[in-house]
Amino acid sequence: AQKVTQAQTEISVVEKEDVTLDCVYETRDTTYYLFWYKQPPSGELVFLIRRNSFDEQNEISGRYSWNFQKSTSSFNFTITASQVVDSAVYFCALYSSYKLIFGSGTRLLVRP
Amino acid sequence: GAGVSQTPSNKVTEKGKYVELRCDPISGHTALYWYRQSLGQGPEFLIYFQGTGAADDSGLPNDRFFAVRPEGSVSTLKIQRTERGDSAVYLCASSSSGTRNYYNEQFFGPGTRLTVL
Repeated sequence: AQKVTQAQTEISVVEKEDVTLDCVYETRDTTYYLFWYKQPPSGELVFLIRRNSFDEQNEISGRYSWNFQKSTSSFNFTITASQVVDSAVYFCALYSSYKLIFGSGTRLLVRP
Repeated sequence: GAGVSQTPSNKVTEKGKYVELRCDPISGHTALYWYRQSLGQGPEFLIYFQGTGAADDSGLPNDRFFAVRPEGSVSTLKIQRTERGDSAVYLCASSSSGTRNYYNEQFFGPGTRLTVL
């Protein structure tokens, strides 16, 4: 079965704290893609990153970083020095058989 | 160029009524997807079109839901005898043609918020 689990329903931090959002996936495919999307209160889905299953290198983009570990089927997302504008719902997703399979999301609240 | 557009942006209807939701994909994109996002959940796959044909409709919840794409461009999601549980945001996405294991980026529209009273 193809499945994405985001165990953290809601996280609240104070501005400038670091925060890690967890994502665990299940797939039988040997080739697959993993994603993170941001959904701010306005509702649109904002693409953040895509990784394929052959590239386990961690990635950093500004304050964002991603840790992909096939051994634990995890693709975690860290925001360093969080800001109020980071407040949103974040979704992890898996691409399998033409479709995106989303987790249930983690709501991040960054308080000033 | 223009992104994926969806109309209407909001639709309020009464239980038992029929609704149509429209999606205009990015020009030239042969693949089109419908997802449904219920409150507090992630988007869930409904149906995938490659050209005019539905290549995978395994996510449609029941036979009240139907989608068409007669000319391989615009798609319409049709819901008969709406129920309160159908209330959700319906998202459309399009991409250039991909393969089962090779991903081509799916560009999402802003969604249609459907409320069934």
